[in-house]
Amino acid sequence: EDQVTQSPEALRLQEGESSSLNCSYTVSGLRGLFWYRQDPGKGPEFLFTLYSAGEEKEKERLKATLTKKESFLHITAPKPEDSATYLCAVRINAGGTSYGKLTFGQGTILTVHP
Amino acid sequence: EAGVTQFPSHSVIEKGQTVTLRCDPISGHDNLYWYRRVMGKEIKFLLHFVKESKQDESGMPNNRFLAERTGGTYSTLKVQPAELEDSGVYFCASSSHGEQFFGPGTRLTVL
Repeated sequence: EDQVTQSPEALRLQEGESSSLNCSYTVSGLRGLFWYRQDPGKGPEFLFTLYSAGEEKEKERLKATLTKKESFLHITAPKPEDSATYLCAVRINAGGTSYGKLTFGQGTILTVHP
Repeated sequence: EAGVTQFPSHSVIEKGQTVTLRCDPISGHDNLYWYRRVMGKEIKFLLHFVKESKQDESGMPNNRFLAERTGGTYSTLKVQPAELEDSGVYFCASSSHGEQFFGPGTRLTVL
C-alpha cells in the first residue's frame, strides 16, 4: 500500500533558525511529489512539484529536494509568516492517467516565533 | 485568474439529512478532484473527473455519496443521508496538467 510519512509532526523554530521537514514515501511508480502549504481555515496552497531523484526547487526561503525514498523541505532563516502546516503528497502512475489522485501525508505544523 | 471556489464554506446538518456541496474549478481545467479530511487524519482522495466523466472514484466511501459534473464545468457532491462519520472538511481541486490547485474547502458538521 502506498504510504507517505511526514516528520516531525510539529516543529517550533525561532525566527532565523533554519531547519528541514521530512517526507518519506513508499510507492511504486512515482509520478510526482508535491509540497503544499496550508494556513488555518484555508485550502492547501501549491508550492513545488518534484519528479525525479536529485531534483531541487527553490522559492524564497524554501528549498525542496528529492531522493528515491524521501523529500526534504528546507527552510532557511524562517520568518513568523512561514508558520503553517506543510503537506507532502505523492502521485503514482495508475489507471492510465498521469493526472491522478494525490496521496497525502499527515503534515508538519511549523511555528516560527519572533 | 480566479481560483477554485467552493460553496458553502460551512454546513451544519443533522444525521439523516441531505447536503450538497459545490465546487467551481479554475476555468479551463479539465481535471477536477474531491478530497476529504476528517478530524486528526490526513487528506484523502474521493474521486477524479476528467471533464464530465468519472476517471477514478475509488475513494468514495459508500453509495451515500454521489458526485456529478454536468457539462464538465462545476461539480456537486451530495451526501444522502448524512451520518456522523461524514463530518470533516471537503476540498475540491482542479488541474490542467500536473499541479492540483485547491479550493478553501467546505466544513461539514453532522450532528
